[in-house]
Amino acid sequence: QQQVKQSPQSLIVQKGGISIINCAYENTAFDYFPWYQQFPGKGPALLIAIRPDVSEKKEGRFTISFNKSAKQFSLHIMDSQPGDSATYFCAASPYMKTSYDKVIFGPGTSLSVIP
Amino acid sequence: GAGVSQSPSNKVTEKGKDVELRCDPISGHTALYWYRQSLGQGLEFLIYFQGNSAPDKSGLPSDRFSAERTGGSVSTLTIQRTQQEDSAVYLCASSPRSIGNQPQHFGDGTRLSIL
Repeated sequence: QQQVKQSPQSLIVQKGGISIINCAYENTAFDYFPWYQQFPGKGPALLIAIRPDVSEKKEGRFTISFNKSAKQFSLHIMDSQPGDSATYFCAASPYMKTSYDKVIFGPGTSLSVIP
Repeated sequence: GAGVSQSPSNKVTEKGKDVELRCDPISGHTALYWYRQSLGQGLEFLIYFQGNSAPDKSGLPSDRFSAERTGGSVSTLTIQRTQQEDSAVYLCASSPRSIGNQPQHFGDGTRLSIL
């Protein structure tokens, strides 16, 4: 019940295309959903995050879409660029401190944007 | 504004030796996490320190692994009698508070290679 599922495992997109990564969770106590971006040789860094009181959040070319009833959320990268090539992790955690407040990460998606 | 600092950045050691990995979190961050990332894989949770509370050690893979956090700041992850399967990147992260909605700030990791 604490798992976060993520797909696809890897993704190749042409420059200028849209990259879409999907995640799903089961624990209804989760109500904070960040996405992290990791470049080779570096630690992950927070990219964008959403709470389920909104269905969409956009920051520049990055958009999170959230479907609370389906317990699914996704990351869309518009106008994908070679510099977006990285591994992307979705994650979930309770927003407020509960007896279980650990962040759970998905297994990651390796994105390659080809020129 | 220093970020999370980990040392050493690379460590090569022989099977059976003990190793210590160090993490300096961002000043004032009360939560500290250790993760293990094998080549091309996701983030495997190891241990979580939350202020003065007892750490969550539920992710430690065996009793050869231990971690300390002294004075609520620096943390050391110790692996005793290293095995080849311990080879991985060990990542440390810190966050401002212990509730789940705080973003985790990651270091760039220690790449551990067991010969």
